[in-house]
Amino acid sequence: DQQVKQNSPSLSVQEGRISILNCDYTNSMFDYFLWYKKYPAEGPTFLISISSIKDKNEDGRFTVFLNKSAKHLSLHIVPSQPGDSAVYFCAAQESAGGTSYGKLTFGQGTILTVHP
Amino acid sequence: GAGVSQSPSNKVTEKGKDVELRCDPISGHTALYWYRQSLGQGLEFLIYFQGNSAPDKSGLPSDRFSAERTGGSVSTLTIQRTQQEDSAVYLCASSRRGNYGYTFGSGTRLTVV
Repeated sequence: DQQVKQNSPSLSVQEGRISILNCDYTNSMFDYFLWYKKYPAEGPTFLISISSIKDKNEDGRFTVFLNKSAKHLSLHIVPSQPGDSAVYFCAAQESAGGTSYGKLTFGQGTILTVHP
Repeated sequence: GAGVSQSPSNKVTEKGKDVELRCDPISGHTALYWYRQSLGQGLEFLIYFQGNSAPDKSGLPSDRFSAERTGGSVSTLTIQRTQQEDSAVYLCASSRRGNYGYTFGSGTRLTVV
């Protein structure tokens, strides 16, 4: 049962344009969402997060949007740069009252390629 | 240490052998997690340690897998009688008090031949 889904295995964009990575979830107990970025032969690194009490969080070129009613979140990168080329993982965590508190559930990842 | 350290970085083993993977978390981080990433797959949760609480072992795929965390710090993931489907990158992460924003190690790439 895939509770966090990233339906696009890959995305290719031109440098300077916007990259939009999407993520859907099914577990209504999830209340905190994170994006991680992973380069080859390295561990994932934290990028940006959002609490369920918000619908948008922005950090420089990165913005995460959360639509709770649709159980959907997205990561926008603008402008995209070649150095952004990596695998992006969406992750979700349950609230403190949930049974899986502390554990992150990850999506399958989306490979982003930004062309110069 | 400054980051999460995993060893070895690569391990090739014969089917049926036992392997041990080690993780040194960030000093002061009370929560430690093991995940694995198989080829073309996402990150699969294996086990979670939080302080002195009983670990959450719900993600371990079979009883061939076990993990321990000694002294609230270093953790060892043991896979007994390895199978080819165990081939994956095994990632360790740590965080403060089991809450938001893990720091991952670089992983151990396990290949079972």
